[in-house]
Amino acid sequence: EVQLVESGGGLVQPGGSLRLSCAASGFTFSAHWMNWVRQGPGKGLVWVSSIRSDGGDTRYADSVKGRFAISRDNAKNTLYLQMNSLGVEDTAVYYCTSNVNDWNAYWGQGTLVTVSS
Amino acid sequence: DVVMTQSPLSLPVTLGQPASISCRSSQSLLHSDGYSYLNWFHQRPGQSPRRLIYKVSNRDSGVPDRFSGSGSGTDFTLKISRVEAEDVGIYYCMQGAQWPPTFGQGTKVEIK
Repeated sequence: EVQLVESGGGLVQPGGSLRLSCAASGFTFSAHWMNWVRQGPGKGLVWVSSIRSDGGDTRYADSVKGRFAISRDNAKNTLYLQMNSLGVEDTAVYYCTSNVNDWNAYWGQGTLVTVSS
Repeated sequence: DVVMTQSPLSLPVTLGQPASISCRSSQSLLHSDGYSYLNWFHQRPGQSPRRLIYKVSNRDSGVPDRFSGSGSGTDFTLKISRVEAEDVGIYYCMQGAQWPPTFGQGTKVEIK
């Protein structure tokens, strides 16, 4: 059974930083692109970032470029999202997803990031 | 960016009756590899999204066959042949043909 388990969310002040993690199991993690997708309160789904299977290609939404960094450790089957210079607009549930046979085949349960003073 | 436009945004349905959601893209989703990268997702209240359909018309494992996807180019449709109570929630289309991947606004399906 595929499992994606996010952690690292919480309350942070504007301008602060957080590092999200996503532990993957049940599939060959090192063979697939991985993504972060977020959903603001009462809002729709928004793609944030993606990373290629070997970590050699990373992509970012314009809204987070220069502030967020995606990475992965294939030995630990873990995906990361380092988030810096957080603003209130970054408040959302952050989902880890995997591209197994096309985009966003599997989703984690999400981790809530709240940016507030 | 490719803009994905869903309609309707709200869809009251009767149990046992069919339902249909439209998704239009601002550019063709036909990739140079010959596939159209259009996916459908369902999100029940308080839950994570779940993928239902990938590459326009392929049902994911465990997805009931009352769900079907169709379309090409810029015009796509998700159909539910007979709505059941568990089908309530928000449905999203998403394109992965061009960077950045983009989602539609979502269609809220509720029982009349």
